[in-house]
Amino acid sequence: GDSVTQMEGPVTLSEEAFLTINCTYTATGYPSLFWYVQYPGEGLQLLLKATKADDKGSNKGFEATYRKETTSFHLEKGSVQVSDSAVYFCALIDSGSARQLTFGSGTQLTVLP
Amino acid sequence: GAGVSQSPSNKVTEKGKDVELRCDPISGHTALYWYRQSLGQGLEFLIYFQGNSAPDKSGLPSDRFSAERTGGSVSTLTIQRTQQEDSAVYLCASSLASGQGRQPQHFGDGTRLSIL
Repeated sequence: GDSVTQMEGPVTLSEEAFLTINCTYTATGYPSLFWYVQYPGEGLQLLLKATKADDKGSNKGFEATYRKETTSFHLEKGSVQVSDSAVYFCALIDSGSARQLTFGSGTQLTVLP
Repeated sequence: GAGVSQSPSNKVTEKGKDVELRCDPISGHTALYWYRQSLGQGLEFLIYFQGNSAPDKSGLPSDRFSAERTGGSVSTLTIQRTQQEDSAVYLCASSLASGQGRQPQHFGDGTRLSIL
């Protein structure tokens, strides 16, 4: 079945540091890939997505590139801010009949001033 | 606002009681999903509705769980004879017609369910 493996957290960085959160996936079909973010006390928000190989999703300074050859979708940001502190979830929807998201376990990010 | 609305935001109930959780999707969204977020299991899919098609119930953990969607809009998730392991945050999401997953799912803030 489908699965998503995320970098274990928590991750603690200083403001303006470079961020990478690794994500790899297993899928039976050709999935669409997503990063969702959950700020403290809030629901999940879509951060970015990519629907085919070599697509780059980007939003709010975050980027992730769909790498089919390495089945990866790593999240990066060049300079994090305190306001980026949240839990980040990598997820996929497979191209078969299933329409539900399969999520990774989430990575807690804390950015210190 | 125009987002997915869930109620109640918090629910505390005694073991063995039935609970109903409500989700009001974004207007015009034909697809509706329920997920569960718990410490031990992460984010799990429960059930999916698309238009007038039969729902995909493959994620429901037991026959104590059921859901319906009336008039293609509001959905209710019902848990009968609640158990302590049902304690979790129940998330609802909606999207436009699925289209191979290219339509993003928009989530509500969830209902935090606590079983005493």
